[in-house]
Amino acid sequence: SQQGEEDPQALSIQEGENATMNCSYKTSINNLQWYRQNSGRGLVHLILIRSNEREKHSGRLRVTLDTSKKSSSLLITASRAADTASYFCATASDRGSTLGRLYFGRGTQLTVWP
Amino acid sequence: DGGITQSPKYLFRKEGQNVTLSCEQNLNHDAMYWYRQDPGQGLRLIYYSQIVNDFQKGDIAEGYSVSREKKESFPLTVTSAQKNPTAFYLCASSSSPTLAEQYFGPGTRLTVT
Repeated sequence: SQQGEEDPQALSIQEGENATMNCSYKTSINNLQWYRQNSGRGLVHLILIRSNEREKHSGRLRVTLDTSKKSSSLLITASRAADTASYFCATASDRGSTLGRLYFGRGTQLTVWP
Repeated sequence: DGGITQSPKYLFRKEGQNVTLSCEQNLNHDAMYWYRQDPGQGLRLIYYSQIVNDFQKGDIAEGYSVSREKKESFPLTVTSAQKNPTAFYLCASSSSPTLAEQYFGPGTRLTVT
């Protein structure tokens, strides 16, 4: 399977703490993306990191990518109750037959308690 | 407002009936996608289209059909051949079929009884 796998499946923290989610994948990629989904809603794109990048920041988000280990992590700093959602990683293949599609993992359910 | 819309938000059908889910975008995106999401699961790709009048099967295309006659529209028909159609269906679009992020609609929750 080309799906990414997030770890942990569920994460529960207090407001103000940092949240770290990990994603592992199996095949070579063009880029890796993180998305957020509030319950019963569509996904919202958070950040895209290309295969030649190692780290990227966007506001309170920090994403790292280690292509040698085929893994990525998403760090949310100073979390807020409004960050409560499911977070998905998605990999974009660099192979001709599968260009144009993303492969999503099953997600990490983050709960931030006030 | 630019964006991607799906209608209706909730849809109920009797077993054996075909049903068509609407997806429209005004982002001028070339690529459009249909995903299915089951409780506690990730997204599974049903069909995708990188350009008008062309589309490809995803991982779970059996029991579904699509058309892409216009750039802004990518309707999905759930046929009676789909054995377990109750799910949350998400449509997405992207400016670049190969490299860019996808923009998602709000989803349609289909219940078949």
